[in-house]
Amino acid sequence: AQRVTQPEKLLSVFKGAPVELKCNYSYSGSPELFWYVQYSRQRLQLLLRHISRESIKGFTADLNKGETSFHLKKPFAQEEDSAMYYCALRTQGGSEKLVFGKGTKLTVNP
Amino acid sequence: DSGVTQTPKHLITATGQRVTLRCSPRSGDLSVYWYQQSLDQGLQFLIHYYNGEERAKGNILERFSAQQFPDLHSELNLSSLELGDSALYFCASSVWVGYTDTQYFGPGTRLTVL
Repeated sequence: AQRVTQPEKLLSVFKGAPVELKCNYSYSGSPELFWYVQYSRQRLQLLLRHISRESIKGFTADLNKGETSFHLKKPFAQEEDSAMYYCALRTQGGSEKLVFGKGTKLTVNP
Repeated sequence: DSGVTQTPKHLITATGQRVTLRCSPRSGDLSVYWYQQSLDQGLQFLIHYYNGEERAKGNILERFSAQQFPDLHSELNLSSLELGDSALYFCASSVWVGYTDTQYFGPGTRLTVL
């Protein structure tokens, strides 16, 4: 079965500090991982996807197949990064859907 | 703005009733996905339509049904509503490029069943 685990419901850091939001997955196929962000009262927005290997708003995430992880990192957090972050796994093979983790609420304090 | 629209924004109804949620995908997107977000279950996939045809089903109750119309908009029908159906319902649309797609979400419809 596919599963995405985000172990931290809440994460609080100070502005300028590094931040890492953890995501672990369980999937027997070839995984495709995403990070979505939801700012207060806004819709879910795609932040980044592992196949693009890009950095968005200073965030990066590396897929580690050995550790089945896709942690989201930013070296210097900003107050505007405060939001809910969801890690998602896209399944393949005829049942394409996103399996989401429960989310981590990030608060960046001034 | 991702371009996916959902109506209504809020819906308050009573147990036993039936409601219809509407989703208009981004221009050109052929796929529409429906998700339910509740406090205890998180974001759960319900159903996926591609160009009018049902493509995949998740943990969707038999009381729930969906369809995608020729103009590609989609409707999610929820009937015999129960208190536990209260949730935020999102739709997402996507366009396939090669073997993969990226889903873009609408703002959601908040359903409250009293």
